[in-house]
Amino acid sequence: GAGVSQSPRYKVAKRGQDVALRCDPISGHVSLFWYQQALGQGPEFLTYFQNEAQLDKSGLPSDRFFAERPEGSVSTLKIQRTQQEDSAVYLCASSLRLSVDEQFFGPGTRLTVL
Amino acid sequence: AQTVTQSQPEMSVQEAETVTLSCTYDTSESNYYLFWYKQPPSRQMILVIRQEAYKQQNATENRFSVNFQKAAKSFSLKISDSQLGDTAMYFCAFMKHNTGNQFYFGTGTSLTVIP
Repeated sequence: GAGVSQSPRYKVAKRGQDVALRCDPISGHVSLFWYQQALGQGPEFLTYFQNEAQLDKSGLPSDRFFAERPEGSVSTLKIQRTQQEDSAVYLCASSLRLSVDEQFFGPGTRLTVL
Repeated sequence: AQTVTQSQPEMSVQEAETVTLSCTYDTSESNYYLFWYKQPPSRQMILVIRQEAYKQQNATENRFSVNFQKAAKSFSLKISDSQLGDTAMYFCAFMKHNTGNQFYFGTGTSLTVIP
């Protein structure tokens, strides 16, 4: 596709379950970013990759959050033992290079933890 | 740390009128970039306009322009000739120069264009 895609679009999990959120960036984009957007808030940075290298994971809120991009394209954000406070929209963005390029955002995955 | 403040949670404007959305930020950086992103109800964020801090000239993109006041750390967005399709959440964002390119977003302003 022409844009960033994310799946699933909606995910409901019971507290304690593990979830995996997928991001397909624009083909050829080197950089990939994950953001967490709580209800009524702006997105907050979680982590980013340049190709397969995770260059910054300082925004991950706990060690229950893990992200990978093993082949430098598709990325997965995994949340283990989900908690209610993990409920949010998770946005993925990609950009062509690791520079001040426009970041193209996906539609997000809305995670609800019951 | 960088903070971005949008003090107007909600705004409305009549179609064809002009509206200005406010944004202030706090940083000790000298080189940085500022952005306005639009998030329509479908939730896909779209870049509206961006400004390099080292440029004194205010950025303009068709009906969208900014008023960048570096000393005051202010970065407002003006939308002229508002259209119904402008209805969306608008986020102001800050990016440090040469350091990871992560955005720091404000809390957003919900803009409604009234027919």
